Amino acid sequence: IAGITQAPTSQILAAGRRMTLRCTQDMRHNAMYWYRQDLGLGLRLIHYSNTAGTTGKGEVPDGYSVSRANTDDFPLTLASAVPSQTSVYFCASSAGDWDEQFFGPGTRLTVL
Amino acid sequence: AQSVTQLGSHVSVSEGALVLLRCNYSSSVPPYLFWYVQYPNQGLQLLLKYTSAATLVKGINGFEAEFKKSETSFHLTKPSAHMSDAAEYFCAVTAYSSASKIIFGSGTRLSIRP
Repeated sequence: IAGITQAPTSQILAAGRRMTLRCTQDMRHNAMYWYRQDLGLGLRLIHYSNTAGTTGKGEVPDGYSVSRANTDDFPLTLASAVPSQTSVYFCASSAGDWDEQFFGPGTRLTVL
Repeated sequence: AQSVTQLGSHVSVSEGALVLLRCNYSSSVPPYLFWYVQYPNQGLQLLLKYTSAATLVKGINGFEAEFKKSETSFHLTKPSAHMSDAAEYFCAVTAYSSASKIIFGSGTRLSIRP
């Protein structure tokens, strides 16, 4: 059982480039989330999806977009990366909004 | 709306000593509370959760937490620390509502001294 997979594991990106972080879950969870983790700030929610076909904005959505075409996949796109988007990005899923969340291993992104 | 505060960004204890990580929450409705652990270079994993059943919740790796409504607290404890407990610990709160999202605290880094 894989749970949640994220790709790539790490990436160094030039500012201004477009980048898509991939997230796939095999638990048939309805809800999926994208967080960024920065030192001293904990986890901050970027975007979420309560079910396939719907998405919503979290605490720090600017500069990011998501889509949820099916239950399993929830990609996060940076249209034009900036250095302040250097962070570790975690994808998570849960059966329902209020259920425990299961996390992927993270993607470490550096924008130069 | 919910919020959570973790007191102490870094806690250091000796191996074999009591571990106490503090978490206070704010919620306008009965909360669901969680403790997650993050080992270096890994994602978060659930330690334990409170969902309005027993107020003393036992989790994995010998950890437990007690829900105290009067103190709005959900502190995490372990009687005897092991070196393998060194990690980042996050308290989180949500509520049984379609409008709720889990809110995470800023985390507490636990160090274990030999």
